[in-house]
Amino acid sequence: EAQVTQNPRYLITVTGKKLTVTCSQNMNHEYMSWYRQDPGLGLRQIYYSMNVEVTDKGDVPEGYKVSRKEKRNFPLILESPSPNQTSLYFCASSLSRQFSGANVLTFGAGSRLTVL
Amino acid sequence: SQQGEEDPQALSIQEGENATMNCSYKTSINNLQWYRQNSGRGLVHLILIRSNEREKHSGRLRVTLDTSKKSSSLLITASRAADTASYFCATVNQAGTALIFGKGTTLSVSS
Repeated sequence: EAQVTQNPRYLITVTGKKLTVTCSQNMNHEYMSWYRQDPGLGLRQIYYSMNVEVTDKGDVPEGYKVSRKEKRNFPLILESPSPNQTSLYFCASSLSRQFSGANVLTFGAGSRLTVL
Repeated sequence: SQQGEEDPQALSIQEGENATMNCSYKTSINNLQWYRQNSGRGLVHLILIRSNEREKHSGRLRVTLDTSKKSSSLLITASRAADTASYFCATVNQAGTALIFGKGTTLSVSS
C-alpha cells in the first residue's frame, strides 16, 4: 500500500531530551515536507526537501533539524525539545520535485508530541 | 503565512443536508486543492481545481473556483455522519516550495 509512515505516533518527553520522529514513504516521491499543526495556527511548514541531500527551511524551522540521506526517509530531529514544540506533526510527500499547486501531498497519520 | 482562509470555521448539519464551505485566498494561483482531516489524523487529498476551471465534480463533492474574487467553495451533497471532519483549502506559496493551508472548516454531521 502506498503510504507515508511516521513513528512514533505518540510521544511524551521532557525538556532537553533529544528525539527523532521518523518518516518513510514507499512511493518513490521526490518531495518531502514536515508540518506542525497547532490550534488556532493551522498547519505550518517546518522543513522541506526537494531531493536527496537537498533540504531547506519552511516557515517555522527554529529548534528542528532534518536530513535526507535516502529518498524514502526524512527524519525530523528535535535536538533539545522545549514545551513550545508540543504539537501534532505531519510528514508529507509528493511525486514531483518541481513543486507546484498541482502537486498532491500524501500525509502520514501524524505524531503527537508532548514536551513537559 | 496564511494564503487561504476557510469560512465558516464550524458547521453543524443533519445527515442528508448539503454542506458548503468557502475559501478565500490572496494571490494569483494556478491550482487550488481541498483536503479533509478526520480528527487528529493525516490530511487526505479530495480534489484539485485548476485556474482555468470554474467547476469540478467528484462523487458527492462539487468545487467551484472564482479567480476574479479569489475564492473557492466546496459543496458536499447529501452529507453523511462519516463526512464529519475538518476541511482545508490549499494553494502554493510564492516560492513554490510548499502548500499553504487555511485554518479549516470543521464540519459536524449528525444522524
